[in-house]
Formats: sequence, structure tokens, C-alpha cells
Amino acid sequence: GENVEQHPSTLSVQEGDSAVIKCTYSDSASNYFPWYKQELGKGPQLIIDIRSNVGEKKDQRIAVTLNKTAKHFSLHITETQPEDSAVYFCAAKGDSSYKLIFGSGTRLLVRP
Amino acid sequence: DTGVSQDPRHKITKRGQNVTFRCDPISEHNRLYWYRQTLGQGPEFLTYFQNEAQLEKSRLLSDRFSAERPKGSFSTLEIQRTEQGDSAMYLCASSLNANILSYEQYFGPGTRLTVT
Repeated sequence: GENVEQHPSTLSVQEGDSAVIKCTYSDSASNYFPWYKQELGKGPQLIIDIRSNVGEKKDQRIAVTLNKTAKHFSLHITETQPEDSAVYFCAAKGDSSYKLIFGSGTRLLVRP
Repeated sequence: DTGVSQDPRHKITKRGQNVTFRCDPISEHNRLYWYRQTLGQGPEFLTYFQNEAQLEKSRLLSDRFSAERPKGSFSTLEIQRTEQGDSAMYLCASSLNANILSYEQYFGPGTRLTVT
């Protein structure tokens, strides 16, 4: 069945360093890959997304890359700040459905 | 606030009781989704609506779960005869079907259900 795997489960970085979170997906027909940030007690917040016809997308300090051949995509956060600390989820949407399949999350801690 | 809203934010119930949650999507968003999130996991898809039509349901949605969106605006999710395994955060999301390539889903704050 459809599956999204996410690594690492926890990530601790020093303020100002970069953070990278990686995901792989199983459904080769997946065509949309969003990333969400979830803070304690809140719902997931869409921070960036990428479609299957694009290899890379950047928005200020965050960027996402997609390798369709290898079926993996990554989130890159540069110049991390303490307010970046949260749980980040990757997700994938199959070609024939609008539902999102989520990874298990990465808890990012940015140390001041 | 023009985001997705959910009510109640927290619900504590005893095993065997019925509960109902409400979701109000972003205005004019015609797709509405329900997900369930347990501690330390990503959201799991339950069902989604386009306008008032329920177009897809997950195997996770047992017979005790029912969702409605009668007028294509707000939606309700009811759980009958609750079990302790139903304890989770129930998330609602909405998206705009502006064109076939509109995929962005925006989530509400969730309803945290605790079954004792």
C-alpha cells in the first residue's frame, strides 16, 4: 500500500546551522509533496510544497528537493532559529486521490 | 479568523458514549478532509468530501464512525460507542477546488478526544 517514511525522527541543531529532513514514498504515481510544521497543541501548518514536475523549490530559508527516480524528497532549513523548533511532517498525494499520506514526523530542536 | 475552525477543542468521554465533532472550513473551500492523529504519529486520512458528496473513506473509518457535510459547508464527525483506542486528535482540513491542480490542504487546530 501507500507509505511514506521519514528520517530522522529527532534532530537537534545549533542555532544558525542547517537542518535536513528526508522522506521516501512508495507510490510512484504520487504527484504532490507538502511539508507541514506542527507546534504543540496546534494543527499542522503548511510551510512549503512541491509538485512532481519540479525538482526544487525555495522560499526564504526553507527549500524542498524532489528526486522522482529515487522516490525521495527532502526539506532543507538554513540559518535555523529557535522558533523553528517543532515537529515537521512530510506527506505525499497519490495520482488518483486527494488524500495525503503522512510520514511519522521529525522533532526538530534548535539550541540557542 | 478566516482559518479552519473545529469544535470542541477538547472532549473527554466515557467508553461507550457517542461523541460528535464539528469542522468549519475556510470560506469557499469546497473540499473538506478528516484525519486522525495519535501521539507521536503523523495524521492518518479518514475521509473527504467535495461539496456535500463523501468521495473517499479509509479502512480506518469503522462502522462506528460517520461523517456528514449536509450543505457543503460545515462537517460533523460522529463516533458511536467510543472505545479507548479512539483517543486521538481529530483534525479537519479544507482545500479549494479552483482547478484540477489545487492540492493545498489547510488544517484546523484539531479536537483532542480522550476516552476513559
